Amino acid sequence: SQQGEEDPQALSIQEGENATMNCSYKTSINNLQWYRQNSGRGLVHLILIRSNEREKHSGRLRVTLDTSKKSSSLLITASRAADTASYFCATTGGGNKLTFGTGTQLKVEL
Amino acid sequence: DAGVTQSPTHLIKTRGQQVTLRCSPKSGHDTVSWYQQALGQGPQFIFQYYEEEERQRGNFPDRFSGHQFPNYSSELNVNALLLGDSALYLCASSPAGRTYEQYFGPGTRLTVT
Repeated sequence: SQQGEEDPQALSIQEGENATMNCSYKTSINNLQWYRQNSGRGLVHLILIRSNEREKHSGRLRVTLDTSKKSSSLLITASRAADTASYFCATTGGGNKLTFGTGTQLKVEL
Repeated sequence: DAGVTQSPTHLIKTRGQQVTLRCSPKSGHDTVSWYQQALGQGPQFIFQYYEEEERQRGNFPDRFSGHQFPNYSSELNVNALLLGDSALYLCASSPAGRTYEQYFGPGTRLTVT
């Protein structure tokens, strides 16, 4: 079963705008990761944030984590058409598996 | 440095048949995980292999089985295929001691008719 949900399910913005997507999860975690998937192919790892971290940056990406609310957000600044993809959050708890959310489909229009 | 590779890319099978999917991990990685991704959904964990043993398993029936070879490559076998097994099957490899760090292959698209 899915760990949680991403919100919104779909997002359409203009190139240059910022995109924010949110992820909620249900159980305690060790870390949370964000992945990108283009056209139903393999997943590309974007960023990892540990449970004791609140914010992390990587290039145009900013991730926040609120363990009290069991939620995370991914901000993509100055979006580009190439950012068009599905974005998934994935959590790791006590085991070795990744538990994925339902994904946000982002479309960046020229 | 080659990443995770999977074969075949696409596969069409008939209900009741059996299928084998293959995965070669990234160089230096010793752990392989398999995921099933139905259309419009997030990937779901099937199982993970380490040192040629199944280390953890998700909520999948026994029709799903796997194997890991001494060179760390892995196979996913599905018996008695059902229409509902149609999905993208993703393999991910991890470096020793960091199983949370998973690098995904391009996937195998399985269609069951």
